[in-house]
Amino acid sequence: DAKTTQPNSMESNEEEPVHLPCNHSTISGTDYIHWYRQLPSQGPEYVIHGLTSNVNNRMASLAIAEDRKSSTLILHRATLRDAAVYYCILSDQGGSEKLVFGKGTKLTVNP
Amino acid sequence: GAVVSQHPSWVICKSGTSVKIECRSLDFQATTMFWYRQFPKQSLMLMATSNEGSKATYEQGVEKDKFLINHASLTLSTLTVTSAHPEDSSFYICSAIMYSNQPQHFGDGTRLSIL
Repeated sequence: DAKTTQPNSMESNEEEPVHLPCNHSTISGTDYIHWYRQLPSQGPEYVIHGLTSNVNNRMASLAIAEDRKSSTLILHRATLRDAAVYYCILSDQGGSEKLVFGKGTKLTVNP
Repeated sequence: GAVVSQHPSWVICKSGTSVKIECRSLDFQATTMFWYRQFPKQSLMLMATSNEGSKATYEQGVEKDKFLINHASLTLSTLTVTSAHPEDSSFYICSAIMYSNQPQHFGDGTRLSIL
């Protein structure tokens, strides 16, 4: 499985945008980029995924670099409920079969 | 949205006991279910992949005779930790997918403590 690199932690202020980076320099042409997040004492939650084009949904936006070696998860207005560990994961299939979780980025949101 | 329910949410039992954890997809039929384990301050580790009606595929290093997985229907998978010991204490999480090109939907996890 191709590896991803994320900062261990990030901080943000409430109602400000948050940009969570992910490097995946060894990504293959068929790898999808997935983002999940895990709130304390809960199972992970799907956030967004994409292949080449930028993606938007009600939770976040995913900006994918043209060479696909990096991507950024964008939370447009952080809330306290967005405090979680965010995982950037590559998967060979669009359907997230066999996800390999790294350490992720712990996001702290300050009131 | 797709909902996955795990039961129980937490369990405390004595060493040597076998513990069964249920994972149900409440509003969709899950072609595949996954079982993960998460130790404190660590990330999730995939234990096994389970397809309805067939034997589970275990990840390297996971003892299949200790962690019994049954996926009897498209909405239910169970994980039984047999003869549990304190080192099996962990947060066990299941997930399910409807189709192969869909995201995984996770349960809220089961916190297992073996005394």
